[in-house]
Amino acid sequence: AQKVTQTQTSISVVEKTTVTMDCVYETRDSSYFLFWYKQTASGEIVFLIRQDSYKKENATVGHYSLNFQKPKSSIGLIITATQIEDSAVYFCAMREGGNNYAQGLTFGLGTRVSVFP
Amino acid sequence: EAAVTQSPRSKVAVTGGKVTLSCHQTNNHDYMYWYRQDTGHGLRLIHYSYVADSTEKGDIPDGYKASRPSQENFSLILELASLSQTAVYFCASRDREGTEVFFGKGTRLTVV
Repeated sequence: AQKVTQTQTSISVVEKTTVTMDCVYETRDSSYFLFWYKQTASGEIVFLIRQDSYKKENATVGHYSLNFQKPKSSIGLIITATQIEDSAVYFCAMREGGNNYAQGLTFGLGTRVSVFP
Repeated sequence: EAAVTQSPRSKVAVTGGKVTLSCHQTNNHDYMYWYRQDTGHGLRLIHYSYVADSTEKGDIPDGYKASRPSQENFSLILELASLSQTAVYFCASRDREGTEVFFGKGTRLTVV
């Protein structure tokens, strides 16, 4: 069964610096998809970035980038030039490839990031 | 912009009562999902559907039923609500390519 683990419960950073969050996953599938989502204070869940297991290049979207270390089953999220509005809970999630194309995501427990002036 | 709308946004239900949470998407997506989030926890999959008139069990289906009468609508039904079902429920949808899952704003359910 697939599993996603985020060991950092909370991180505090100063505005305009870089924050890095860890995520490790478990799967028996050779094909899988990894995602990072952000949950704002209002509860809204927003998709940030995705990494496909067969891609060697780390995904980058705006000031979000990933550190994909496949041998370690690790997918870290890096946020550069943080802003106050980056304060949120960040969830790592995974979906296996396989034959069940409709299956949902498996989420980690989340990391709360607080950005201070 | 893709849209997933949940109703109601919050509800207080009595133990043993029936609760129906509704979800409507205008994304023209085939796949729809119901997740549950407990305070301080990640999201867990309850039920999902890949086509109208068909639903599948997720990771924690006990105590819940789902209904997908059309591509746009997906309901979560609690026939006999219990205190342990107090949580925030999220509906989501995605297309077959699965590049992005779109979430609704959530329904806060309190069972008393």
